[in-house]
Amino acid sequence: NAGVTQTPKFQVLKTGQSMTLQCAQDMNHNSMYWYRQDPGMGLRLIYYSASEGTTDKGEVPNGYNVSRLNKREFSLRLESAAPSQTSVYFCASSSGFGDTQYFGPGTRLTVL
Amino acid sequence: GDSVTQMEGPVTLSEEAFLTINCTYTATGYPSLFWYVQYPGEGLQLLLKATKADDKGSNKGFEATYRKETTSFHLEKGSVQVSDSAVYFCAFYNQGGKLIFGQGTELSVKP
Repeated sequence: NAGVTQTPKFQVLKTGQSMTLQCAQDMNHNSMYWYRQDPGMGLRLIYYSASEGTTDKGEVPNGYNVSRLNKREFSLRLESAAPSQTSVYFCASSSGFGDTQYFGPGTRLTVL
Repeated sequence: GDSVTQMEGPVTLSEEAFLTINCTYTATGYPSLFWYVQYPGEGLQLLLKATKADDKGSNKGFEATYRKETTSFHLEKGSVQVSDSAVYFCAFYNQGGKLIFGQGTELSVKP
């Protein structure tokens, strides 16, 4: 049972480049989330999907878009990367919105 | 607004020492409370949780008690090990269903 998986593990981008972070879960969870983690700031919610077919903005959505491709997969896209988006990105899922969340291993992104 | 305040780290202890990491929260109502742990280079793992006042969550020798009157959820362990070195996050679900995290407390345990 893999739980929540994320790809890639590491990525370096130049300012203005685009990329998509992939997330998948095999726990049949309804809700999925994207967070970023910055030093001294805990985790901040970027976007979430309470159920398949829905997505909503979190605390820091600017510069990002998401797609809930199906029940298993939830991707995060950076259309034009900026150095301020250098961070560690975590995907999480939960059985329902407000239930215990389970996290993936993270993607460490550097934007030069 | 909703927030979590944790004691600042890093916290450095010797093996077998007693650990307390303080956590207080500001929330509407009585939310479920969580401690997550992040080992170096890994994602967050749920360590323990408590869903109502006076509940005690426990796991792997760690404990935390939901104190409604002081809006606190302090994490304790009687005897830490080197393998407990990690960053610990206190969190709760707000009324909008979103998980609110503290800034994290780094724990370093020396042999």
